[in-house]
Amino acid sequence: RKEVEQDPGPFNVPEGATVAFNCTYSNSASQSFFWYRQDCRKEPKLLMSVYSSGNEDGRFTAQLNRASQYISLLIRDSKLSDSATYLCVVNMVNSGAGSYQLTFGKGTKLSVIP
Amino acid sequence: DGGITQSPKYLFRKEGQNVTLSCEQNLNHDAMYWYRQDPGQGLRLIYYSQIVNDFQKGDIAEGYSVSREKKESFPLTVTSAQKNPTAFYLCASSPPRQGIYEQFFGPGTRLTVL
Repeated sequence: RKEVEQDPGPFNVPEGATVAFNCTYSNSASQSFFWYRQDCRKEPKLLMSVYSSGNEDGRFTAQLNRASQYISLLIRDSKLSDSATYLCVVNMVNSGAGSYQLTFGKGTKLSVIP
Repeated sequence: DGGITQSPKYLFRKEGQNVTLSCEQNLNHDAMYWYRQDPGQGLRLIYYSQIVNDFQKGDIAEGYSVSREKKESFPLTVTSAQKNPTAFYLCASSPPRQGIYEQFFGPGTRLTVL
């Protein structure tokens, strides 16, 4: 099983649509979870952390299901500017490098169409 | 402005040459990281450093070397032993907050071997 797995997409959605991304992770001891956004040929940027109780930031909602080892990101009212690749990122606690190491999914590409 | 800088933005190297990529941060972060990203792939950890004068190999350290003589600086050398060095190289740092390990990235260096 891959450590962090995401649907690669691409997801092509019209402006105003709601889109959901899913991510599964393999290490049940993981403690920290994040969604990053990466624009084409740019560096990843932190979009939001994911907490057990779920959290919302404007049009973005992140959920964590520890029992199923599953993370989601919901984007409501999609904008053209949301077009990017969304990376699911997990802190792999028992990795050989220790708990400072993050493992990145390959990302899900989103294209919002006018 | 606080942030992470990487230079150069683009770098071309002939086969058999060593090259050093610069990474500087003024965020007072203790931990710093080097990743490489290949097209359509996730980020892979090359080296990381949790404190000055200490660093650890990541998943793909072969053919690379680093130093951490100052808290602000974490240069990466790509040696001639690295068989496929053409990639997008990203440097990151993280703040020393207990239990939270989000990382912040520099703008990256694109290395092309001719």
